[in-house]
Amino acid sequence: KQEVTQIPAALSVPEGENLVLNCSFTDSAIYNLQWFRQDPGKGLTSLLLIQSSQREQTSGRLNASLDKSSGRSTLYIAASQPGDSATYLCAVISLYAGGTSYGKLTFGQGTILTVHP
Amino acid sequence: GAVVSQHPSWVICKSGTSVKIECRSLDFQATTMFWYRQFPKQSLMLMATSNEGSKATYEQGVEKDKFLINHASLTLSTLTVTSAHPEDSSFYICSARDLVQNTGELFFGEGSRLTVL
Repeated sequence: KQEVTQIPAALSVPEGENLVLNCSFTDSAIYNLQWFRQDPGKGLTSLLLIQSSQREQTSGRLNASLDKSSGRSTLYIAASQPGDSATYLCAVISLYAGGTSYGKLTFGQGTILTVHP
Repeated sequence: GAVVSQHPSWVICKSGTSVKIECRSLDFQATTMFWYRQFPKQSLMLMATSNEGSKATYEQGVEKDKFLINHASLTLSTLTVTSAHPEDSSFYICSARDLVQNTGELFFGEGSRLTVL
């Protein structure tokens, strides 16, 4: 059974800092890994998708890496801003040989990020 | 990116009534949609996989007679919470994958907050 863990559970930083969010998963047989952002009371916004064959993806100030062999992914946020404050969720889509549950997404517990001015 | 719309965004109902939540993929087709629920300060838990034209696949511990899922078309899945009780109060989120893009990336709706009095 896939388990996803995110560290730290919460992070508070001053504006402008570079920061790293960590995600680890127990089963390396993944299809891809996705990082999301969730604002309070809202749905999820996809930030970055890393295919299992890729090592990293970049979008603006965000960079996500994937090391399947060690079961780890990191989300790097450069020059953090107050608007980055949200919960960041990491999720892996497991490989599934057929069946209607192909692509089941397993979420970590999230990291609550607060960037203060 | 692809857009997934949920309706209603919030609903309050009396105990014993049924509530229907719609999930639509607005600009893409999806044979599979996923329904999640999220309790306060917790991560998303997969409830069921909705399959167009066939029965949904439910996760262990989720009552299929309680949470009725219908996926009548390639752009619409509905979740009906039958005979709702206060413990069903939660944030329900759906997601879908773009068949054409087929990157495995999942797009999420904005969520529906259900409060059962």
